[in-house]
Amino acid sequence: AQSVTQPDARVTVSEGASLQLRCKYSYSGTPYLFWYVQYPRQGLQLLLKYYSGDPVVQGVNGFEAEFIKSNSSFHLRKASVHWSDSAVYFCAVSVNYGNEKITFGAGTKLTIKP
Amino acid sequence: GALVYQYPRRTICKSGTSMRMECQAVGFQATSVAWYRQSPQKTFELIALSTVNSAIKYEQNFTQEKFPISHPNLSFSSMTVLNAYLEDRGLYLCGAREISNERLFFGHGTKLSVL
Repeated sequence: AQSVTQPDARVTVSEGASLQLRCKYSYSGTPYLFWYVQYPRQGLQLLLKYYSGDPVVQGVNGFEAEFIKSNSSFHLRKASVHWSDSAVYFCAVSVNYGNEKITFGAGTKLTIKP
Repeated sequence: GALVYQYPRRTICKSGTSMRMECQAVGFQATSVAWYRQSPQKTFELIALSTVNSAIKYEQNFTQEKFPISHPNLSFSSMTVLNAYLEDRGLYLCGAREISNERLFFGHGTKLSVL
């Protein structure tokens, strides 16, 4: 079975600083990888996804993530964060194209300091 | 564009009573609907996956007797939490997908509180 580990439950960075949120997955085959964001009192929104091809994928609002197969990682990055990026970020994996059975990580709560 | 609406957004029920929540797909045909729960301070767990014209598949620890789901057409699904207790509190998310599209669209969720 697949699993996702987000080792950092909370991350705090200053506005304008760069950001990396870590994610590692466990799956023997080729995974489909996602990052979702949950803003306060809201549901989930898709930030970006990786299915195949270029291992660096671009998402909304300046986010990107890099799939490194040798490291089983899919870290999320942003060059310069904004206060509005404060939210909980979930890394997720699915094992089949279009499979709704998505396994989520525990989430990382991001706080942006002014 | 494709959207998923869930209602109610928030609801409170007394312990031991039941609560029905609905999921509406707009702008696409929801051939598959997945129901997830986010319990307080936890991540999202898949409850069940419903595909039109197929049996609903429940994950371990979730049963049809506790979380009956209806998926009568390509735009609507509902799920009921029967005999709700404190451990059923949380945010219930509906994710819907069209067969020709790999993307899963989520609604804003129904937040269930149990008194």
